[in-house]
Amino acid sequence: SQQGEEDPQALSIQEGENATMNCSYKTSINNLQWYRQNSGRGLVHLILIRSNEREKHSGRLRVTLDTSKKSSSLLITASRAADTASYFCATDAWYGGSQGNLIFGKGTKLSVKP
Amino acid sequence: EAQVTQNPRYLITVTGKKLTVTCSQNMNHEYMSWYRQDPGLGLRQIYYSMNVEVTDKGDVPEGYKVSRKEKRNFPLILESPSPNQTSLYFCASSFQGLWGETQYFGPGTRLLVL
Repeated sequence: SQQGEEDPQALSIQEGENATMNCSYKTSINNLQWYRQNSGRGLVHLILIRSNEREKHSGRLRVTLDTSKKSSSLLITASRAADTASYFCATDAWYGGSQGNLIFGKGTKLSVKP
Repeated sequence: EAQVTQNPRYLITVTGKKLTVTCSQNMNHEYMSWYRQDPGLGLRQIYYSMNVEVTDKGDVPEGYKVSRKEKRNFPLILESPSPNQTSLYFCASSFQGLWGETQYFGPGTRLLVL
């Protein structure tokens, strides 16, 4: 069951520019997480935002959450070539399974050119 | 170092030949999970385990088995692999499988079934 849908599917920018990725989801959530995946590697947790939060920062990352629109955005400021990766949002909607289960979107593939 | 390990990292096999992909974590996590990642489909959960001897189906469990005899290990078993199980597989773990917990991912196992 697909929950999160990232937009755009692919994004190409120059180093130093900001990158914005969006995630939309379908059902009510308790929190939303963003993960990063370097090509063919495991996912790495970036940031979590709870349903009662609207914005959260971590270094060059800024995440917003709009529960009325069921959407979230991830902003990476002053991007670097090393930010090149795929970014996934994941939600943990209760649907009868484990409350720890994460439902991932299909990801945004970010390419930062030096 | 806290980590999730998977073995093998790469595997080529033939249809019908039983195989096991091992997953081990050294963080004393109770929750463990298996995902498969396919182009255009994102990550989909196969099975998860809330604790020793407690396992349950995820979104795409057909053709897979799991076991959780020890807390640290969560092997994925393909009794009779088929070409549609060619995929990139990830094991993940979290502390208790509660809402909002970060999941820690293994490096992935790339499987090709001929």
